[in-house]
Parts: sequence; C-alpha cells; structure tokens
Amino acid sequence: DAGITQSPRHKVTETGTPVTLRCHQTENHRYMYWYRQDPGHGLRLIHYSYGVKDTDKGEVSDGYSVSRSKTEDFLLTLESATSSQTSVYFCAISSGTSESTDTQYFGPGTRLTVL
Amino acid sequence: GNSVTQMEGPVTLSEEAFLTINCTYTATGYPSLFWYVQYPGEGLQLLLKATKADDKGSNKGFEATYRKETTSFHLEKGSVQVSDSAVYFCALKDNAGNMLTFGGGTRLMVKP
Repeated sequence: DAGITQSPRHKVTETGTPVTLRCHQTENHRYMYWYRQDPGHGLRLIHYSYGVKDTDKGEVSDGYSVSRSKTEDFLLTLESATSSQTSVYFCAISSGTSESTDTQYFGPGTRLTVL
Repeated sequence: GNSVTQMEGPVTLSEEAFLTINCTYTATGYPSLFWYVQYPGEGLQLLLKATKADDKGSNKGFEATYRKETTSFHLEKGSVQVSDSAVYFCALKDNAGNMLTFGGGTRLMVKP
C-alpha cells in the first residue's frame, strides 16, 4: 500500500469556521491531489499540486484553498465551512514519471460534517 | 470535456454469478482507463488499468478490455464472491495531463 495518511479521519464543525485537512505521503511522489466524494458524483477533483508551492485548481475549487510547503504534505483549507462542503475528502498521490502509465494512489479519506 | 458513464447500481448478485459492470467514456485522443474499488469505510484501491486500445487489464479475477471502437471499458468477473461487495469506479486519464475523471460509481452487493 502507498504510504498516504490523512488527518483528521473524522471531523464535525460548524458553518463559518475554518477547517484544515492534512495529507501526508512517504513516497516522495511529485503529484498530490484533493478530491471530494459525494453520492452520485463519484470523485471530483478540488485542487492538485505538481510540486512544492506549485498548485492548480480542479473541477470544484470554489471555497477551497491548498498549500504545499514540503513534498510530503498537502493541506486543504476551507476558509469558512458551509453545509455544502459536508463530504468525504480523499487525498491521492502519483509519481508523474509517465503520463501514459501514471497511477494515482488514494488515502483512507476524511469524513467532514458541517452543521 | 472528458466524461465517464457507469451503470447505476446497486447490482445485486448471488455468489458465483457472472458480473458485468458497464463503463463508457468520452475523451479526446487516447486516454488511459482504470477501475478502482472502494470497500466499506476505506479509500479507493486500483483494481486494474489499460493504457491503449485492445489492452486487457486483469487482477483478482476481474478483467476489462479497452475498446476504442465502442469507447468502453466494461468490468467482468466470472464468479463473484461475497468479499467482492464494494463500490466500483471507472475512471480515465487523458494524456494531456495527470487528471482523473471518474464515473459515479456502481455498488455491487453479493449475497451468499
């Protein structure tokens, strides 16, 4: 299994509060991703990173920001959480060494509930 | 843009039955195709993949063939087990970047 951990694994928070989720990898992979999983939508990309301090938006980036100050850590921040951000959040990593064969590996997920 | 369409579930089968989960895609060029599996309470695990037309990915008794003419990547298994109960996601990655596009997922329930 790829060495990916996410913290916290579960969080309940209130509308309007800031929330930061952490993804940590031990694989030294170049690419890191944040997805959200909602019923009927599969997984949708929020933001991704292609190197330290290099990030870009995904399909559903509104209301989220990210930071990557070290290769191993990728943080997802909800500046002011809303109920629509209640979801399960997954981090993924990939080496990026080959565009055709590169595979993403996923962390265990963080279940976030915004009341 | 890219899109992936999977059959809606849940799919309910008896143990040892034959499984097919349909997946079709829309993409430009020649994407790579993936099946991921998610067991209850866990993250997604790569099940199999295919990177070019007519390739067959296989793992743990599951198979899928990359059919460019029908833009499909259907997942099959000859004899399912209770332990195969999970949600299965089809996904594609086009060669313009590293982004994955997922289908909505298909829940499989296998009864003894």
